[in-house]
Amino acid sequence: KQEVTQIPAALSVPEGENLVLNCSFTDSAIYNLQWFRQDPGKGLTSLLLIQSSQREQTSGRLNASLDKSSGRSTLYIAASQPGDSATYLCAVNVEGSNYKLTFGKGTLLTVNP
Amino acid sequence: DTAVSQTPKYLVTQMGNDKSIKCEQNLGHDTMYWYKQDSKKFLKIMFSYNNKELIINETVPNRFSPKSPDKAHLNLHINSLELGDSAVYFCASSILGVNTGELFFGEGSRLTVL
Repeated sequence: KQEVTQIPAALSVPEGENLVLNCSFTDSAIYNLQWFRQDPGKGLTSLLLIQSSQREQTSGRLNASLDKSSGRSTLYIAASQPGDSATYLCAVNVEGSNYKLTFGKGTLLTVNP
Repeated sequence: DTAVSQTPKYLVTQMGNDKSIKCEQNLGHDTMYWYKQDSKKFLKIMFSYNNKELIINETVPNRFSPKSPDKAHLNLHINSLELGDSAVYFCASSILGVNTGELFFGEGSRLTVL
């Protein structure tokens, strides 16, 4: 059974700092991994999707890496801004299951001005 | 234009009642989902539908009955509501499954059972 763990559960940083969010998963047989952002009272917004054959994906100040064999992914946020404050969730699917994502519990990020 | 829209956004009801949540996507996607986010913010799959057909039922009680009249709509009906059903329910869609495409979420429907 796939389990996804995100560390830390919460993180508070001053504006401008670079930061790393961590995600680990127990079953390395995945097709892809996605990082999402959730603002309070809102739905999830997809940030980055990394296919299992890829090592990383970049979008603006965000960079996500994937080490499938070790069951780990990181989300790097450069030059953080108060608007980055949100909960960040990672999710993986599993080979053989095209219709199900397993989510971590998320990291609550607060960027202080 | 809202890509995945669900109604109502808030729902407060008494134990034992029956309620429905509606979801529509205008992205032309084949696959739709219902996820439940509990009080601890843990997000868990409930149902997956592909082109109106049920693909995944993740050990959800029979009181929950999804219905997909067409591939752009996936509604969730809940019978005999219980206190433990209080949660935020998210509808989502993707092009075809999750192996190749992103998941797009609605804004959620917060259900409170009193």
